[in-house]
Amino acid sequence: SQTIHQWPATLVQPVGSPLSLECTVEGTSNPNLYWYRQAAGRGLQLLFYSVGIGQISSEVPQNLSASRPQDRQFILSSKKLLLSDSGFYLCAWSVTGGNTIYFGEGSWLTVV
Amino acid sequence: GQQLNQSPQSMFIQEGEDVSMNCTSSSIFNTWLWYKQDPGEGPVLLIALYKAGELTSNGRLTAQFGITRKDSFLNISASIPSDVGIYFCAGLLSGNTPLVFGKGTRLSVIA
Repeated sequence: SQTIHQWPATLVQPVGSPLSLECTVEGTSNPNLYWYRQAAGRGLQLLFYSVGIGQISSEVPQNLSASRPQDRQFILSSKKLLLSDSGFYLCAWSVTGGNTIYFGEGSWLTVV
Repeated sequence: GQQLNQSPQSMFIQEGEDVSMNCTSSSIFNTWLWYKQDPGEGPVLLIALYKAGELTSNGRLTAQFGITRKDSFLNISASIPSDVGIYFCAGLLSGNTPLVFGKGTRLSVIA
């Protein structure tokens, strides 16, 4: 069966510091991968999605970036965090061309 | 871009009551999904709908894919305290396009 795992689960970072959130999927090949952000009590905002290694589509211009160095690995990064980057970050996956996506456990980021 | 209007935004109900929430869109989708998110966790898929007019149940949950392909509803019967959470609808046009999410319905159940 397929599993998705993201880490760290919680993170407290000072303004201006870098960020790296990682996500891996097991049990499938060539998945579509996604990063979403959820501000406290709000809806889900799609940040990036990827249909293959090295292929990244950005939905929202911001100081975050994403990379897909391996087929089942998706990384969310920032060189300098802003206070407004605080939120709950969710990684998700779907099969290629699939019509259902599955979410990871989420990572809480607090920028102080 | 595409947007989903999900309503109501929040609900407070008594345990045992039935619940209904819905999503509408200005454009068509070929898949409708309903997720539930518990506090501090990722959303979990409840029901997936792939065909216009489809009515699907999962225990006490029932969801329908609207005939026009522009709407969907989710019903929860005989609510219980563990139904508390945020429910999201999501629409998908095709396999390699991103899901479009509604803004969620926050459900509170009063025992």
